[in-house]
Amino acid sequence: NAGVMQNPRHLVRRRGQEARLRCSPMKGHSHVYWYRQLPEEGLKFMVYLQKENIIDESGMPKERFSAEFPKEGPSILRIQQVVRGDSAAYFCASSPKTDAYGYTFGSGTRLTVV
Amino acid sequence: GQQVMQIPQYQHVQEGEDFTTYCNSSTTLSNIQWYKQRPGGHPVFLIQLVKSGEVKKQKRLTFQFGEAKKNSSLHITATQTTDVGTYFCAEPGGTSYGKLTFGQGTILTVHP
Repeated sequence: NAGVMQNPRHLVRRRGQEARLRCSPMKGHSHVYWYRQLPEEGLKFMVYLQKENIIDESGMPKERFSAEFPKEGPSILRIQQVVRGDSAAYFCASSPKTDAYGYTFGSGTRLTVV
Repeated sequence: GQQVMQIPQYQHVQEGEDFTTYCNSSTTLSNIQWYKQRPGGHPVFLIQLVKSGEVKKQKRLTFQFGEAKKNSSLHITATQTTDVGTYFCAEPGGTSYGKLTFGQGTILTVHP
């Protein structure tokens, strides 16, 4: 039973390009959460999705960031026109239900904007 | 908004010494979770505390939840080099159950 799969592990983008981060939840998990971790900081909640629905996007920046979790396929976190300040580790977590006992995180995508 | 204060930010210990990190919340919590993140790694769930005054142990790790359910602590007895990493507490809630608010974390360094 594979864990939460994130790819790519490392992503380098030039300023102004688009970044697409993918997350496949654990088998049987229909809840996906995205968190961002800036260097030397804690994790900040970005968005919570269920299949085809955004449940809570209160942590998403208002511009350039979007997320989806389609009926088929992985969840995608999309960052348009990246800037240096977007450089961070982006972690995805999944759970089978909202009040699950702890969350399983993926290995993360380290985004570097040059 | 919700805030979880975690102290200390950094802790350096000699191998064999004990280590404690503390979390304080401004609100009464339904539960609190603890995670460990190794350098360059991802957060790994350690435990969840639910009951007032609850104490749970995992080998050398002891987790406590305050009587008022507003604070928690993680204590490691006789640290080992494998304990190196950042320890985070996290509280659920906000606008949805799925959202966790993490403390800033305590970065533990263990000197052999």
